[in-house]
Amino acid sequence: DQQVKQNSPSLSVQEGRISILNCDYTNSMFDYFLWYKKYPAEGPTFLISISSIKDKNEDGRFTVFLNKSAKHLSLHIVPSQPGDSAVYFCAASDLISSGDKLTFGTGTRLAVRP
Amino acid sequence: KAGVTQTPRYLIKTRGQQVTLSCSPISGHRSVSWYQQTPGQGLQFLFEYFSETQRNKGNFPGRFSGRQFSNSRSEMNVSTLELGDSALYLCASSLGAGVYEQYFGPGTRLTVT
Repeated sequence: DQQVKQNSPSLSVQEGRISILNCDYTNSMFDYFLWYKKYPAEGPTFLISISSIKDKNEDGRFTVFLNKSAKHLSLHIVPSQPGDSAVYFCAASDLISSGDKLTFGTGTRLAVRP
Repeated sequence: KAGVTQTPRYLIKTRGQQVTLSCSPISGHRSVSWYQQTPGQGLQFLFEYFSETQRNKGNFPGRFSGRQFSNSRSEMNVSTLELGDSALYLCASSLGAGVYEQYFGPGTRLTVT
């Protein structure tokens, strides 16, 4: 049972434009969400997180939006740069019962074209 | 500050053998989690240790075990290796105690032949 889903396995965007990566979840107990970026042969790198008490969190070029009623979150990267090309994973946690246990989506491969 | 380190980076083992992987967390981090990454299943949570105690456990068979030492370093052991255990094993650390951003090491690539 895939509780966190990233339905787009890949995304291609022109440099300078916006990249929007989507993530859906089914477990209504999830209350903390994170995005990670992963390059080949490296571990995932933490990008940005959001608590369920918020609907938006910004950090530089990265913004995460959370729609709790739709059980949907998205990561916006503006402007996209070639160095952003990587696999992006969303992850979720039920802080009360599971704390540090993260449930990951299957990832979206982003390619930013120069 | 040094990041999460994992040793060894690459390992080749034969079916039936056992293996031990090591993880050193970021200095000051007390929580260490282990994940298995495979092409078909993505990142799957194995277990998490905090202050030498297993705090969370994923849905893996008992062949997968771990421990944490007083200096927060952690080891993961897989006994009676199977071909399906071939994967990238990732370790992540966090401050724990209410801080939930986890920082990952580069992983150990295990190949079982």
